[in-house]
Amino acid sequence: NAGVMQNPRHLVRRRGQEARLRCSPMKGHSHVYWYRQLPEEGLKFMVYLQKENIIDESGMPKERFSAEFPKEGPSILRIQQVVRGDSAAYFCASSPPGVWGTEAFFGQGTRLTVV
Amino acid sequence: AQSVTQPDIHITVSEGASLELRCNYSYGATPYLFWYVQSPGQGLQLLLKYFSGDTLVQGIKGFEAEFKRSQSSFNLRKPSVHWSDAAEYFCAVGGNQGGKLIFGQGTELSVKP
Repeated sequence: NAGVMQNPRHLVRRRGQEARLRCSPMKGHSHVYWYRQLPEEGLKFMVYLQKENIIDESGMPKERFSAEFPKEGPSILRIQQVVRGDSAAYFCASSPPGVWGTEAFFGQGTRLTVV
Repeated sequence: AQSVTQPDIHITVSEGASLELRCNYSYGATPYLFWYVQSPGQGLQLLLKYFSGDTLVQGIKGFEAEFKRSQSSFNLRKPSVHWSDAAEYFCAVGGNQGGKLIFGQGTELSVKP
C-alpha cells in the first residue's frame, strides 16, 4: 500500500506565476488535509477536503489559494500569482473515513521556492 | 484558544543519555495527541498517539509519552538516545476532524557523541 504521494517534490516559480501541488492519498482514504510549513516553524493547517467537498478551509489565505479534491484524481492545491512569502513546504495528509480517533498519514511534502 | 506549546526550541543531549521533550496543549474538547518526527527535507513520521485508555503510550523507535490531563501535557521520553534520533520533533493535538491537527513549533534535537 503506497503512502501519501505528493508531486512535485520541489517546485520553483517566478513571482506572479501559478503553482499547482498534487496529492494522492493512501488507498482507501477519502479525507485529505493540506498544511503549510514556513521556515523554522511548525505546520499550519490550511484546508480539509473530502471527495468533491471542502469541509474546512479556515486556514486558507483569503486570496490566491484554492484547493480541490475531485471525484477522480489527486487533490490539488493551487496558488495563483505567487509571491516570495509563499515559499514554504506544503504537506498533504490523508486519513480513512470516520473522523473520531483517526490518524493522518503525511506525504513527503512539496517545497515551493518563489524567485 | 486551541494551541500546542513546545517550550524547548532546541535540545542537545549526549548519545546514550535519556531524553524528555515537553508538550503542553490547550484544547476545548477531548484531545487526541500525537508526536511526529521530521528529518531534514523529509515528511512527518508518526512516533506515537494517544486516543484514550492507558495514559502511558509506547511508540516506535523506543519512544514513549505520558498523557497528564491535570497538567495538559503530553511529554515524549526515551531512556537512551541514539545518534540517529537527531531530528525535529512535533507535538500535535486533534479532535473530531480526523487529520485536522494543531502543531507545536517543534523541538530540534541534536545528539552529541
